[in-house]
Amino acid sequence: DAGVIQSPRHEVTEMGQEVTLRCKPISGHNSLFWYRQTMMRGLELLIYFNNNVPIDDSGMPEDRFSAKMPNASFSTLKIQPSEPRDSAVYFCASSSFRGRAYEQYFGPGTRLTVT
Amino acid sequence: GQQVMQIPQYQHVQEGEDFTTYCNSSTTLSNIQWYKQRPGGHPVFLIQLVKSGEVKKQKRLTFQFGEAKKNSSLHITATQTTDVGTYFCAGWNTDKLIFGTGTRLQVFP
Repeated sequence: DAGVIQSPRHEVTEMGQEVTLRCKPISGHNSLFWYRQTMMRGLELLIYFNNNVPIDDSGMPEDRFSAKMPNASFSTLKIQPSEPRDSAVYFCASSSFRGRAYEQYFGPGTRLTVT
Repeated sequence: GQQVMQIPQYQHVQEGEDFTTYCNSSTTLSNIQWYKQRPGGHPVFLIQLVKSGEVKKQKRLTFQFGEAKKNSSLHITATQTTDVGTYFCAGWNTDKLIFGTGTRLQVFP
């Protein structure tokens, strides 16, 4: 089992550039979550999908952030334009939906630095 | 808004001492999960509690879910250096998952 795969692992970009983070969930999982982690704000849920459909995107900071899940094996989180305050570690997690029993498996994360 | 707070924020202990972190929600939770994140790593699922007053044990770790389903605790007996990391609780309220603020544990040998 390869686990949740995220790419890139590290991204350094300049303010104003577009950034795309990618996630491949564990095969057979039908829920996918995007998180952002910073020292100041801790671990924040940005958006999650059930069966490729966005269920709750209330954690998305603003319109510069968008997330898609075109199929069960791939999701992207895009920031356009990026700003220095977007610097953080972004985690993707997946789980099998069993009622409220969401045991989540996290990917290794993407460390984003916006200069 | 809905919040899940954890105390303490940091805890330094000598190896062999016990450790407890507390998780408090502003609203009733349908369940509570606990995760551990090693320095530089990603959160790893430890356990889930569902029933009011539930207690579960994993070796030296004891997890409790409060009677009102608004608080939880994680207790580690006789800490080891391998216990170092940040412990997060996470609770579901209807369709929203909220992670706690985390407790960072440092264990000195």
